[in-house]
Amino acid sequence: QQQVKQSPQSLIVQKGGISIINCAYENTAFDYFPWYQQFPGKGPALLIAIRPDVSEKKEGRFTISFNKSAKQFSLHIMDSQPGDSATYFCAARPRGTYKYIFGTGTRLKVLA
Amino acid sequence: NAGVTQTPKFRILKIGQSMTLQCTQDMNHNYMYWYRQDPGMGLKLIYYSVGAGITDKGEVPNGYNVSRSTTEDFPLRLELAAPSQTSVYFCASGRLAGYTDTQYFGPGTRLTVL
Repeated sequence: QQQVKQSPQSLIVQKGGISIINCAYENTAFDYFPWYQQFPGKGPALLIAIRPDVSEKKEGRFTISFNKSAKQFSLHIMDSQPGDSATYFCAARPRGTYKYIFGTGTRLKVLA
Repeated sequence: NAGVTQTPKFRILKIGQSMTLQCTQDMNHNYMYWYRQDPGMGLKLIYYSVGAGITDKGEVPNGYNVSRSTTEDFPLRLELAAPSQTSVYFCASGRLAGYTDTQYFGPGTRLTVL
């Protein structure tokens, strides 16, 4: 079964620090890698996404780094803020399908 | 636009009871999905639909049924509820757009089976 492994399960960062969440996949037939952000009591919302022919994508304080040969991708949150405290999910879309495989989530807490 | 709406927000069922979780989207999206979210387990796909009249199983379909008679609605039916179905259920919709795909999630339904 195709899997996406996400780490760490939880993360505590000081305000202004860098938060790093990692994901790894086992199947090369994925063609799109989004990250979702979920606040307590809410549904997930798309944060940023990357395609496998791009090594890095940056949107504001959020950056995805993608390493195709290592089958890994990571989310970096620069200058982390208390408002970034949420659960983050990585996901991967198998090529030619309409569905996604999600990681198990990382609960981020940014201390003020 | 209201986006994706789900009802009810909370529900407690007894073992063996049945219920339908409602999901409606007003964005004219072809694709709709049902996920369940359990602590530490991420989001698991239950069923999905690529258009009215077309549905398919996801990773964890056992104990659930779906139908898609209209573009807007995608109800999830639980027959003979079991404690293992205690979870938070999310409905999502999207319009596949290659590398700009986005799934829009509803606020979720928290279901407890006792």
